[in-house]
Order: sequence, then structure tokens, then C-alpha cells
Amino acid sequence: KQEVTQIPAALSVPEGENLVLNCSFTDSAIYNLQWFRQDPGKGLTSLLLIQSSQREQTSGRLNASLDKSSGRSTLYIAASQPGDSATYLCAVPPGSARQLTFGSGTQLTVLP
Amino acid sequence: DGGITQSPKYLFRKEGQNVTLSCEQNLNHDAMYWYRQDPGQGLRLIYYSQIVNDFQKGDIAEGYSVSREKKESFPLTVTSAQKNPTAFYLCASFGEYMYRDSVSNYGYTFGSGTRLTVV
Repeated sequence: KQEVTQIPAALSVPEGENLVLNCSFTDSAIYNLQWFRQDPGKGLTSLLLIQSSQREQTSGRLNASLDKSSGRSTLYIAASQPGDSATYLCAVPPGSARQLTFGSGTQLTVLP
Repeated sequence: DGGITQSPKYLFRKEGQNVTLSCEQNLNHDAMYWYRQDPGQGLRLIYYSQIVNDFQKGDIAEGYSVSREKKESFPLTVTSAQKNPTAFYLCASFGEYMYRDSVSNYGYTFGSGTRLTVV
């Protein structure tokens, strides 16, 4: 059974810092990996999706990398802003089953 | 714009009552999912459907039921058998979507959630 772990569970940084969120998964036979953002009491917003054949994806200040062989993905946030404060979740479907397995998330607070 | 609509946003259930949460999508996606989120915990899969008229139990299906009579709709009923239903419920679909407005990709789209409280 796929297990997804996110480290750290919580992170607090001053505005302007670059930061890295980590996601690891146990079954490397993944279809893709998706990073989401969740604001308190809200649904999930998709940030980046990396296909299993890709190494990274970029969107604005966000860059996500994927290393299938080691079962790891990182989300890099450049020049963090208070508006980036949210919980960040990574999720992977195992193989062709398309059932998302989520990590427990990293709660990010960017201090002004 | 294409997306997933969940309703209501807030729902209150009395003890012993069944309630139904609505999930509608206009993305033409085949696969749809229901997740439950509890404070401080990750998302847990309740039920999923990969095609109309077919659905499968997830990790925590007891006390819940679903139907998939139309591609666009995947309602979740929380029955009186669910002993601890207070949670945040999220509906999702999987399929093609436009990434950054121009690049087609396959991924998951989530609704904005329904918060269910037992009173």
C-alpha cells in the first residue's frame, strides 16, 4: 500500500525566504504526482502536476521536482510571501489505480 | 469555467438522520472521488467511481453510501450508521484539464468542500 510522508509538518519563515517542502512515497510505480494548496476551511487547489516521465515543473515562484527512483518530490517556493501561508499537500496515485494517496501536509506560515 | 461544485457549504445533521452531500462536475471526467478530512489529519478516501453506474469502497466506507447515475453527479449520503460524521468532506474528479490555460494534462480537481456537523 502506498504511503506518503511530508516533512516538515509545520514551517514558519520570514517573508522573502526561499523554502523547500519535502514529500516521500514508498511505491515508485506512480502515474503522476500532484502538489496542492489548502487554505483553512477551503478545498484543495492544484499547484503543480508532474507526470512520471518528467523531472520537474515550474509555475511562477513554485518549482516541483520528482525523483521516482528515490521516491521523493520537493516543492521549492522562491521569495515567500504572507499570501503563501497555507497547508501544502502532495498526493500520488499508485500505478493505474488513480486513487490518490495524500501526505498529511506541511502547514506553512510566512511572517510579514 | 469548468469545475466541481459541492453543496451545501455547511450542513448540520441531527442524531439518527441521513444527509446527502451534492457533488457536480462539468469537466467531462469519468472518475470521481469522495474524501473525508478531520482536523490535523490527512485526507481519507470514502468512495470512488471510475465510470457511470459503478463505484468502489475506499478506506473508510462504513456508514456512507454513494450513487453514480450520471457522469456529472456523485452524491454522498452519510447514514445514521456513521457514528462520527463531523468532518470536512471533499469531492474530486480525475481527467483532462487545462494546465496554465494552454497545456492539456491529466490530474485531479477538487471542490470547495462541505463541512458537516452533528448537532
